[in-house]
Amino acid sequence: EPEVTQTPSHQVTQMGQEVILRCVPISNHLYFYWYRQILGQKVEFLVSFYNNEISEKSEIFDDQFSVERPDGSNFTLKIRSTKLEDSAMYFCASSVGLAGPNEQFFGPGTRLTVL
Amino acid sequence: AQSVAQPEDQVNVAEGNPLTVKCTYSVSGNPYLFWYVQYPNRGLQFLLKYITGDNLVKGSYGFEAEFNKSQTSFHLKKPSALVSDSALYFCAVSLSGGYQKVTFGTGTKLQVIP
Repeated sequence: EPEVTQTPSHQVTQMGQEVILRCVPISNHLYFYWYRQILGQKVEFLVSFYNNEISEKSEIFDDQFSVERPDGSNFTLKIRSTKLEDSAMYFCASSVGLAGPNEQFFGPGTRLTVL
Repeated sequence: AQSVAQPEDQVNVAEGNPLTVKCTYSVSGNPYLFWYVQYPNRGLQFLLKYITGDNLVKGSYGFEAEFNKSQTSFHLKKPSALVSDSALYFCAVSLSGGYQKVTFGTGTKLQVIP
């Protein structure tokens, strides 16, 4: 069964450093998403991406964040200058994107620890 | 704005007994509702969804959920709980369908006691 994959599984970085989290969505999916889950809190939407551009973003997704689909398979989330409060589990998701509502399929997550 | 409430942080049930995990939602239009399950150190796995039609939706692993428009609820149920069902369960709502953002509830930890 196809699945969303994410690398790395755990990333430790110093405050102020740039990080890139990588995701490979399911191959025939057209919509891509990033969510985050701060420890002990709920899963929060960050951004959705379609046709090589952002379709929606939350207030969390400020200028420090960016997303990119650099090739036909990868989908990345970049945090330009990490802050302590960026420590969280980051989930990538993808959906088919056909007409009508489609469930999103989630990757296993990347745990980001900012020191 | 859309929101989801899961009033119980944890639900304990004996193995073999029926289980219910509660969820209520708030949206300004027709809701699309989902249940996801999260096992330790794993991502979110899709269980089931309600789009339209029959109020009782059947999903993976024997789970089902009942959509109640008047009570704005979408409770997750299973007739007979298994120890392996122990996990964190998230209810979620999307206003415009699966290609828009999904808003999650805070999650309910289900503990099935042998």
